Amino acid sequence: DIQMTQSPSSLSASVGDRVTITCRASQGISNYLAWYQQKPGKVPNLLIYAASTLQSGVPSRFSGSGSGTDFTLTISSLQPEDVATYYCQKYNSAPWTFGQGTKVEIK
Amino acid sequence: EVQLVESGGGLVQPGGSLRLSCAASGFAFSSYWMNWVRQAPGKGLEWVANIKEDGDEKYYVDSVKGRFTISRDNAKNSLYLQMNSLRADDTAVYYCARVTYYFDSSTSSGVWGAFDFWGQGTLVTVSS
Repeated sequence: DIQMTQSPSSLSASVGDRVTITCRASQGISNYLAWYQQKPGKVPNLLIYAASTLQSGVPSRFSGSGSGTDFTLTISSLQPEDVATYYCQKYNSAPWTFGQGTKVEIK
Repeated sequence: EVQLVESGGGLVQPGGSLRLSCAASGFAFSSYWMNWVRQAPGKGLEWVANIKEDGDEKYYVDSVKGRFTISRDNAKNSLYLQMNSLRADDTAVYYCARVTYYFDSSTSSGVWGAFDFWGQGTLVTVSS
């Protein structure tokens, strides 16, 4: 099975900072990659699919890039409401594996 | 408005069984792949199983194969997860989630992709 590895596991940044989270697949998955945000105590929320397509209603400060095995989620200007854990997920084939998550905090 | 409402969670002893349900509304349920995803306390997300619109294809994570069965009743707009031989490491909040469908311009084809709507989850606790 293809493994999804996120880095870092956690990060702390200041409001307004540019934040980058990386997700690496152990084999190529084309662009079949999604990113989710899960705020504390809440249900996961889809941010990006097809590696770079922003889900409707998601703020434009979020962006995604990558293809094949290496993907990136970028928050261009970190806001207090972005405190959450972020997960990548592959969906090219079963199993639809999630990364282990990256916890983002405000410094 | 799309709504997914899970039910059926609770406390069960190791080796026991439980059946989760997910009631869907606000969309054409019979036209969508559906999933179960779980999250153990303080841990990350784990995809558990999914099922095709007509129920003809089903997939499972290795750790639940042979113990869990996903099913659906399109006439009742409902998704189910029958869980047997439950173990302590099955303890988690179980979410049902809908798969989004989109057009991939690079391949000029439709793609069943990410999970665009999630229920609030139901907690399953396996303990003696």
